[in-house]
Amino acid sequence: QSALTQPASVSGSPGQSITISCTGTSGDIGSYDSVSWYQQFPGKAPKLLIYDVTHRPSGVSNRFSASKSGNTASLTITGLQPEDEADFYCTSSTNTDALVLFGGGTRLTV
Amino acid sequence: EVQLLESGGKLVQPGGSLRLSCVASGFTISNYAMSWLRQAPGKGLEWVSTASGTGGSTFYRDSVKGRFTFYRDNLKNTLYLDMARLRVDDTAVYYCAKQMTGDPPDPFDTWGLGTMVIVS
Repeated sequence: QSALTQPASVSGSPGQSITISCTGTSGDIGSYDSVSWYQQFPGKAPKLLIYDVTHRPSGVSNRFSASKSGNTASLTITGLQPEDEADFYCTSSTNTDALVLFGGGTRLTV
Repeated sequence: EVQLLESGGKLVQPGGSLRLSCVASGFTISNYAMSWLRQAPGKGLEWVSTASGTGGSTFYRDSVKGRFTFYRDNLKNTLYLDMARLRVDDTAVYYCAKQMTGDPPDPFDTWGLGTMVIVS
C-alpha cells in the first residue's frame, strides 16, 4: 500500500501562486477521477479542500484549484496568503486492497 | 452542525487492547460511509478502516487486518474501533471521518478532533 508521492515542502511569497504535485500510478490516480486534497494546520484535523479532482466543497476559497494529468494530480494556490501555511495531502482511490492512498504530505511555507 | 468526537485514546503496552469511540451529531451515520484514519507523531495521514453506509462492507489497511475491528452502533450514532495486539507503530492520533455519501471510496468531508493512542 505505497503512498502517493508529494514534494516534502514548497514555498512562496504572499500574492504568488504555487503548485503541489501528487504522483501515483496507473492503478490509482491514473485510473480514478477521485483525487482529493486536504489542508491541515498544526495540531488540527484535516479539512477537505478539493474532491473528485477539481471540485471545491462549499466555503473553500476559489484561490484553491486542482487538476489531473495521467498519473499526476496537482493543487494550485493563487494569491498566497500567510494564513495558507499548512500541510497539504492528496488522496486517491486505488485498485489495490487499500481503499484509499494518501500522499506523504507537503508543507507550504508562505 | 455536523460533528464527530473521538475518545478512548490512552497509553497502552505493546500487545494490549483498546477501544476507540466516535460520537456523531448533526447527521445519521447509517446514511454515510464512515472511516478511521491515523497520523503518527510528525508523520503524514494514513487510512485505517472504512465501513460502507449500509454497514455491509468493511475495509482495513493491511497492517491492521486481523487486529482492528470497526463497529457501528446506528442506534447510538456511534462508531467504534476495537484495537488488539497493539504495536509500537500503531502510536498515532486516530481520527474518525464522515464520507460524502454511503460509498466507501468517497472523500472525507468531516473529521473529528482526534484521540491519541500511545503504544509503549
